[in-house]
Amino acid sequence: TQLLEQSPQFLSIQEGENLTVYCNSSSVFSSLQWYRQEPGEGPVLLVTVVTGGEVKKLKRLTFQFGDARKDSSLHITAAQPGDTGLYLCAGAEIGNNRKLIWGLGTSLAVNP
Amino acid sequence: GAGVSQSPRYKVAKRGQDVALRCDPISGHVSLFWYQQALGQGPEFLTYFQNEAQLDKSGLPSDRFFAERPEGSVSTLKIQRTQQEDSAVYLCASRPTSGASYEQYFGPGTRLTVT
Repeated sequence: TQLLEQSPQFLSIQEGENLTVYCNSSSVFSSLQWYRQEPGEGPVLLVTVVTGGEVKKLKRLTFQFGDARKDSSLHITAAQPGDTGLYLCAGAEIGNNRKLIWGLGTSLAVNP
Repeated sequence: GAGVSQSPRYKVAKRGQDVALRCDPISGHVSLFWYQQALGQGPEFLTYFQNEAQLDKSGLPSDRFFAERPEGSVSTLKIQRTQQEDSAVYLCASRPTSGASYEQYFGPGTRLTVT
């Protein structure tokens, strides 16, 4: 069974600080997605990375897919209170795009 | 242009009661997923439909859990004889095709509390 480990599990920072969230596995994924979930809502897709070494930027968020497609990171620059939420990574198994393998999530709190 | 909707948003059931949770996916979406999510954790896969066919139900925790999607659109997740450990948020997600598009669109979830 493929597993995705996310770290840290919890993160509380002050507005304006930078942070990085990691998503690691010993298995290779065909793609990896990052979602953000707010309380009382379902996860919302932020980005999909497909190519090893790929870097994607979404405003203050930078996503990187590891060269071997086993790990990924999410870096947030100058965090804002609106960035608060649960960040989830999910990997698509090679040869099986039916089911995503989910990490346990990183709960981020950005304090004003 | 409506997204995925789920009803009810909140459900309180007494232990032993049966519950039915409804999911209305985005119109035309082929794939539909059900997940169970504990507080502050990632979703755990329950089952997957491609149109009306239930192709994977490996995540259903027991035979008390049953899901259907008879016409390939609306889906219902039924839990019989609910137990306290069934308390969780149940998320439904749909996806446009069964092919290489991996993005899943989630509903807001149904929070089930079993007392």
